[in-house]
Amino acid sequence: SQTIHQWPATLVQPVGSPLSLECTVEGTSNPNLYWYRQAAGRGLQLLFYSIGIDQISSEVPQNLSASRPQDRQFILSSKKLLLSDSGFYLCAWDALTGELFFGEGSRLTVL
Amino acid sequence: AQKITQTQPGMFVQEKEAVTLDCTYDTSDQSYGLFWYKQPSSGEMIFLIYQGSYDEQNATEGRYSLNFQKARKSANLVISASQLGDSAMYFCAMREPYTGGFKTIFGAGTRLFVKA
Repeated sequence: SQTIHQWPATLVQPVGSPLSLECTVEGTSNPNLYWYRQAAGRGLQLLFYSIGIDQISSEVPQNLSASRPQDRQFILSSKKLLLSDSGFYLCAWDALTGELFFGEGSRLTVL
Repeated sequence: AQKITQTQPGMFVQEKEAVTLDCTYDTSDQSYGLFWYKQPSSGEMIFLIYQGSYDEQNATEGRYSLNFQKARKSANLVISASQLGDSAMYFCAMREPYTGGFKTIFGAGTRLFVKA
């Protein structure tokens, strides 16, 4: 069966520090992968999506970047965090039916 | 422009009553999918129900049904016989074709409170 994991679960980082969130999917090949961000009490904002290795589209210009070095690995990064980067980050992949399967989420607090 | 609109930031419902959560969408594509997800306080996202744009019948999954009105571009979620465990955030989402694949976008969500 397919599983998706992301880590770390919780991060507290100072402004200007780097960021790396990792997501891996097991049990499926060549999945479409997504990074979403959810601000407190708000909806999900699509940040990046990827249809394959090194094929990444960005939805919102910002100081975040994404990489997909392997088929089942999706990484969200930043060189210098801003206060506005705080939020709940969710990685997801979609099944053929279109249903999204989400990771556990990573809660980032930038101080 | 907003593509998924959920106009109810918060809703209250009495336990065992039915509740309708509103969702309208905007797309020029003929082929798209509509979804509802539940997010409890734990943060996990739980898939509830799916409606394809070509489906003529409204989707149902247990106590959940989707009231699909294509001409009005609405996809309201109906929860029958509400339970205390239904208290959560509910998100309407739309999956549409995009360059090389698909993307799914979400509404702002509705927080549902079920009262005992």
